[in-house]
Amino acid sequence: QSVLTQPPSVSAAPGQKVTISCSGSSSNIENNYVSWYQQLPGTAPKLLIYENNKRPSGIPDRFSGSKSGTSATLGITGLQTGDEADYFCGTWDNSLSEGVFGGGTTLTVL
Amino acid sequence: EVELLESGGGLVQRGGSLRLSCVASGFTFSSYAMSWVRQAPGKGLEWLSAISSFTNGGRTSYADSVKGRFTISRDNSKNTLYLQVNSLGADDTAIYYCVKGPARDCFDYWGQGTLVTVSS
Repeated sequence: QSVLTQPPSVSAAPGQKVTISCSGSSSNIENNYVSWYQQLPGTAPKLLIYENNKRPSGIPDRFSGSKSGTSATLGITGLQTGDEADYFCGTWDNSLSEGVFGGGTTLTVL
Repeated sequence: EVELLESGGGLVQRGGSLRLSCVASGFTFSSYAMSWVRQAPGKGLEWLSAISSFTNGGRTSYADSVKGRFTISRDNSKNTLYLQVNSLGADDTAIYYCVKGPARDCFDYWGQGTLVTVSS
């Protein structure tokens, strides 16, 4: 049971847009930065979004992040088959004093 | 370029121990907090432990699920992070990732992982 809640799966057609939600609480998302990670099949996770909505160098602007209250959202536009992966949200939890992640969302590009 | 290279995983019997290592390069290792995160087969990410930078005293923190069994440490002279894992059970079977961070609640670089398999 993950501290942060994500939908298990989302899907959309190539070229379309998809959003992935991440729900938490006042002890984590509301009072800390949220980051998002992409895990392509058989590889390690890679940072996609940090500090709620910033992209590391090399991450295309098709990927975006936002946060409101105790929830965060990852948006991906212009979907490509290469975007098929697991996506995880993460942050710090002040009550647990632990890093916390969502359970992950599998993106299928139909 | 930041690189994190883990080693030390393998097949271990229930109740056994391992020491995982992670050699870092491409950044000033001593200046950054470091963590271990694991992923059981087909499952999500689980943060295990973190150790703060040298300037922040090398303070350690642990997930409740591993507190008392796992010990994180670092050797800044060798740019190496360690995780001593003891009293292993079947639930500890996972890929263990060495991760740079947290910094502003973010884990920005991940190693390729080392697989720990606990057999009965």
